[in-house]
Order: sequence, then C-alpha cells, then structure tokens
Amino acid sequence: EPEVTQTPSHQVTQMGQEVILRCVPISNHLYFYWYRQILGQKVEFLVSFYNNEISEKSEIFDDQFSVERPDGSNFTLKIRSTKLEDSAMYFCASKSGYNSPLHFGNGTRLTVT
Amino acid sequence: DQQVKQNSPSLSVQEGRISILNCDYTNSMFDYFLWYKKYPAEGPTFLISISSIKDKNEDGRFTVFLNKSAKHLSLHIVPSQPGDSAVYFCAASAPFSGNTPLVFGKGTRLSVIA
Repeated sequence: EPEVTQTPSHQVTQMGQEVILRCVPISNHLYFYWYRQILGQKVEFLVSFYNNEISEKSEIFDDQFSVERPDGSNFTLKIRSTKLEDSAMYFCASKSGYNSPLHFGNGTRLTVT
Repeated sequence: DQQVKQNSPSLSVQEGRISILNCDYTNSMFDYFLWYKKYPAEGPTFLISISSIKDKNEDGRFTVFLNKSAKHLSLHIVPSQPGDSAVYFCAASAPFSGNTPLVFGKGTRLSVIA
C-alpha cells in the first residue's frame, strides 16, 4: 500500500539554525499538509497546500515557516530560525480528494537545543 | 479553543469486550468526522470516517456512530484485541473548501488487557 514517507526520522538542531523537513506524499494525491504534535499535546494543523500554493495556515505557521513542492514529488517544511518551542513531532499528510481521509507519514522528531 | 474534545485521556478494556471511545465537538459546521489510531513512533493511521448525512458507519470490528443533535460521535471496537492498544484521535473538518484542515482531539489511550 502506498504511504507517505518522511525524512529524517529524527533531527537535532541548535536554536537559531534552519531546518528542512522532507516528505514524499502518496503519488496521486493532490492535497498536502503539515501537522505537528508537541509531546503530550494534540496534533495541531500547521499548513495546507494545493495546486502549488498554500491554501490555509494556522497561527503557528508564522514567517519563520515556509513550505515548498520543488519537484512534483517532494513536499518540504522549512523552519528558518528554530526556537526551543519548535521541538515537536512534525507529520506530513496527503489526501487524494475532498472528504478523502488524510494519510500521515511517520513523522520527524525535531529537537531544538 | 477546543473544537474537538476527547474527555477521557485513557481507557482500559478486557480483551474480547467492547471498547467505546467518545468524542464531542462544538463547531456545527463540521460535516466530516474521522478516527485515527496512533502507535508510538508512528504517524496517525486512518481507521474509519463518517459524513454528517449518516449516523452510523461500520467496517469490520469498528463502528462509528454520529449524533448530530448532541454533537457527539463514538467509536466502538468489538471484540477488542491487544493489538488495538494505541492512542485514538477523533478528527473533524468543515466543508469550506476541499482543503479544509482536520481538527484533532487530544486523543484517548486505549489499553486492551489480555
């Protein structure tokens, strides 16, 4: 069964550094998302992406964050200058159409020290 | 602002019995509801969904019930198996656009005891 893949599985970075989290969504999917889960808290929406542009973003997704779909298969989340509070599991997700279920990757654990 | 609430952080059930996980929502515009299961170190896995035009959807051992007037849904797992032990998330979305994000509850940790 096709799946969403994310790399790396764990990323450790120093505060102030830039990180890029990578995702390969399921190939025929059209809608792409990033969510995050801070330890012990709920899964929170960051951003959605469709037709090569951001559709919606949450308050969390400030100017430090950006997304890109550079080549038609990868979907990346960049955090320009990481903060301690950015430490979380970051999940990429995709779906094929409206009211289709989201399929999640296994996440990237980001640790900012 | 918790639009999707799972008020039970944990639930323990004996193997073979029924597990009932509950979820309440506040946004009356939600029209699509899903349940996800999550194991440690993995992403959420889609289990079952229901749209607001239905009140029940069944898939094998999993049944989701929707009570729109009470803004309540529940997931029934019967019979429960030890492999069902995981965190279960309720999620909902509103029909503003095809790309409307899912809103998740905080999850309920189910432990099925052999």
